[in-house]
Amino acid sequence: KNEVEQSPQNLTAQEGEFITINCSYSVGISALHWLQQHPGGGIVSLFMLSSGKKKHGRLIATINIQEKHSSLHITASHPRDSAVYICAGDYNTDKLIFGTGTRLQVFP
Amino acid sequence: KAGVTQTPRYLIKTRGQQVTLSCSPISGHRSVSWYQQTPGQGLQFLFEYFSETQRNKGNFPGRFSGRQFSNSRSEMNVSTLELGDSALYLCASSPRTGDYEQYFGPGTRLTVT
Repeated sequence: KNEVEQSPQNLTAQEGEFITINCSYSVGISALHWLQQHPGGGIVSLFMLSSGKKKHGRLIATINIQEKHSSLHITASHPRDSAVYICAGDYNTDKLIFGTGTRLQVFP
Repeated sequence: KAGVTQTPRYLIKTRGQQVTLSCSPISGHRSVSWYQQTPGQGLQFLFEYFSETQRNKGNFPGRFSGRQFSNSRSEMNVSTLELGDSALYLCASSPRTGDYEQYFGPGTRLTVT
């Protein structure tokens, strides 16, 4: 069964802290997506990766194919980073399987 | 480039009615996927269309259907609405089918009473 699991479910941090969100998936994934959803519903695609590491500003995403694990890191977190972060696996069937999301709150 | 647009943004329907939601992808994008998001089930894949053909379908009953037009705009239809169909319906477009980044629309929030 194709599955995607995320941890933690909820995360609180003080402004400036380094944050890590984890995602594990079952075998067969062709790509892993990281998405950000703000209150109100809008979803923004942050990264799509199938190997290695990608960086955009203060966000870094890594994937370890052997371990079937991906991480999303936020450096120097800011209250505007408060959102739900969702990982999703693309199992080469052209449909995404989503994790349950990590609700992040960053306090000033 | 304009982003993905969805209409309407909010909708209230009565149980038993049917509803049609519309999605206009980013210009040049030919793949449109639809997703349902509920507090209980999270985000779930509904279906994907590419070049007017449904390429894949999620695990939803036949009351959920969709189509794509030659200009890549897509519609999804839900017939005989149930209370459990209340959800945020999101569409996303990408240039082609396969491993491409998806660009999400703002969603249509459907409430069934």
